[in-house]
Amino acid sequence: DTGVSQDPRHKITKRGQNVTFRCDPISEHNRLYWYRQTLGQGPEFLTYFQNEAQLEKSRLLSDRFSAERPKGSFSTLEIQRTEQGDSAMYLCASRGQGEVRETQYFGPGTRLLVL
Amino acid sequence: AQSVTQLDSHVSVSEGTPVLLRCNYSSSYSPSLFWYVQHPNKGLQLLLKYTSAATLVKGINGFEAEFKKSETSFHLTKPSAHMSDAAEYFCVVSDLNAAASKLTFGTGTRLQVTL
Repeated sequence: DTGVSQDPRHKITKRGQNVTFRCDPISEHNRLYWYRQTLGQGPEFLTYFQNEAQLEKSRLLSDRFSAERPKGSFSTLEIQRTEQGDSAMYLCASRGQGEVRETQYFGPGTRLLVL
Repeated sequence: AQSVTQLDSHVSVSEGTPVLLRCNYSSSYSPSLFWYVQHPNKGLQLLLKYTSAATLVKGINGFEAEFKKSETSFHLTKPSAHMSDAAEYFCVVSDLNAAASKLTFGTGTRLQVTL
C-alpha cells in the first residue's frame, strides 16, 4: 500500500454515461498526476496538478474529460459521454514538493469498462 | 521529447537463474530513470531509480540496474529469479527540466518464472 487511494476500484458503465473517479494522494504531497493504461500498454500521462492548479494536460485528454483538485487535496477525473475506447485502467500518482527527482507513488487504479 | 524502448515484451526464466530485462532510453536532457513493477491486480511499485548519482543502482527484492550513458541503456538484472518475481516490469524516464516531471513508460516486459 503506497498511501494513494482511488475509488472506485472497478466501474462498468454503458456507452454515453458519465463517470467520475476519485483519487486521494499522500497527504503531504502537493503534486498529483493522472495516467491511463490500456491493455498491454504502459501508462500514459493525462494531466498534472500542483496544489489546486492544473498545469499540464496531455493531448489524450479530450474535451469529454475533466479533472479537478478543488482544495489541493483529493482529485476527481470525470469522463462525459463515455465511449468504448475509454475502457482502461485510470491511475493516480502523487509526489512531494522539493527535489524533482522524488518518486511518484501510484494508487491501485480504477478499471473502467464501457459496454 | 523523451522515450523508452523495452526490447522484449516477454521474458521467461527458470527459478534460480539470472534475470535480464532490457531498456534503452532517449532524452534530450539528463534523465531520471526508473523501473516499476506491476503484479496482477496490484498497483505500480517502484523497484529502483537512477538520479545521476551512482550508475549502478540497487533496488528492492535483489534487483539492480546500471545506467550506461554511452549505450543509452538502463537494463534491469537480478542474479536469481524467484517465483514471486513473475509480473509486468516497466522502464520509465522522466524529464527533470520539465515542471511536471511526468513519467514516460515503456510498453512493459512480462516476466515469467518457471520451476
